[in-house]
Amino acid sequence: NAGVTQTPKFQVLKTGQSMTLQCAQDMNHNSMYWYRQDPGMGLRLIYYSASEGTTDKGEVPNGYNVSRLNKREFSLRLESAAPSQTSVYFCASSWLQAYNEQFFGPGTRLTVL
Amino acid sequence: GQQLNQSPQSMFIQEGEDVSMNCTSSSIFNTWLWYKQDPGEGPVLLIALYKAGELTSNGRLTAQFGITRKDSFLNISASIPSDVGIYFCAGPNSGTYKYIFGTGTRLKVLA
Repeated sequence: NAGVTQTPKFQVLKTGQSMTLQCAQDMNHNSMYWYRQDPGMGLRLIYYSASEGTTDKGEVPNGYNVSRLNKREFSLRLESAAPSQTSVYFCASSWLQAYNEQFFGPGTRLTVL
Repeated sequence: GQQLNQSPQSMFIQEGEDVSMNCTSSSIFNTWLWYKQDPGEGPVLLIALYKAGELTSNGRLTAQFGITRKDSFLNISASIPSDVGIYFCAGPNSGTYKYIFGTGTRLKVLA
């Protein structure tokens, strides 16, 4: 099993450009999450999907959109990238949303110039 | 909102030493998770705690769920160079199933 995979690993954008970060899991998990990690800030939840067909905002959703394409895949879209969105983005999944361990992907390092 | 404070923020230790770190919350948690993040990687779950007072080990790592349910502790015994990394605590935000993470303890081991 690959676990949680993310593409791309690195990306550089110019302000105003758009892009989609891809995430897939092969553990048959129901819940999936997108986090961003900034220096000294820990991980902050952007959006999550408790189950296929549902999505909801996390702590820092502004400037992002998500799509739960199917049970395996959960994508994060930046419609108009801003320098404040420079960060490392992690996708995670868990069997159920409530009180369960989350398994993380390797991350996407995004720089917005 | 809820916050998780971890201490220390960073620490240098000699190989072979024991390490202690803690995580405190402003409110009660029903679950505590401890993760380790290696440089350039995603966090990896080390230990999960589900009951106040629970003490759980994973090899040289031992974590405890504080009796007040507002804190948790992680100990690493006989540290080795591969223990280097950032250790995060996490728990579900009150009334929701959204996890919040502490700011991390950065551990550096001197050989």
